[in-house]
Amino acid sequence: AQTVTQSQPEMSVQEAETVTLSCTYDTSESDYYLFWYKQPPSRQMILVIRQEAYKQQNATENRFSVNFQKAAKSFSLKISDSQLGDAAMYFCAYRSSRLTFGEGTQLTVNP
Amino acid sequence: EAQVTQNPRYLITVTGKKLTVTCSQNMNHEYMSWYRQDPGLGLRQIYYSMNVEVTDKGDVPEGYKVSRKEKRNFPLILESPSPNQTSLYFCASSLNGVGYYNSPLHFGNGTRLTVT
Repeated sequence: AQTVTQSQPEMSVQEAETVTLSCTYDTSESDYYLFWYKQPPSRQMILVIRQEAYKQQNATENRFSVNFQKAAKSFSLKISDSQLGDAAMYFCAYRSSRLTFGEGTQLTVNP
Repeated sequence: EAQVTQNPRYLITVTGKKLTVTCSQNMNHEYMSWYRQDPGLGLRQIYYSMNVEVTDKGDVPEGYKVSRKEKRNFPLILESPSPNQTSLYFCASSLNGVGYYNSPLHFGNGTRLTVT
């Protein structure tokens, strides 16, 4: 069974600075996708970014980028120029025939 | 507007009283699923459905039932709720079929359930 681990229950960052959230996963499959979701206090689940496992190039979406290390089974999220609105719970997710989420990282952005 | 509609948003009930949480999507998605979110545990899959009349257990199916009689609806049923089912529940949907792994999930707004 696939497992997804987010080892940082909480992180904080100063506004305008950069923060990296960690995610590792365990799988024996070769075809899968990885996602980062954001959950603000409204508890809505919002897709931040996704990465195809067969692509070596790291995905980017504006201030959000990933560092995908397939051999190490690592999928970290980097948020640049952090904004107050980035404060949220962030979930890493793995999808193949099943969908598995990590435990979540609560990000605080300090003004 | 494309959306997943989940109701109710909040629900307080007592042990043993059957309840249903409804979920409906208007995107013609084949895949639908239910999750529960608990602190420190993330989201765990309860049941999922690849298409109409096809449902499968997720990681934590005990105490829950689902049905998929229509493509758009996927209700979650708790026949005899217990306090350990107090949680935040999410319904989600996505495309299915060949290459569906890259399809992001569209989530409902969640149901906060309290069982006393």
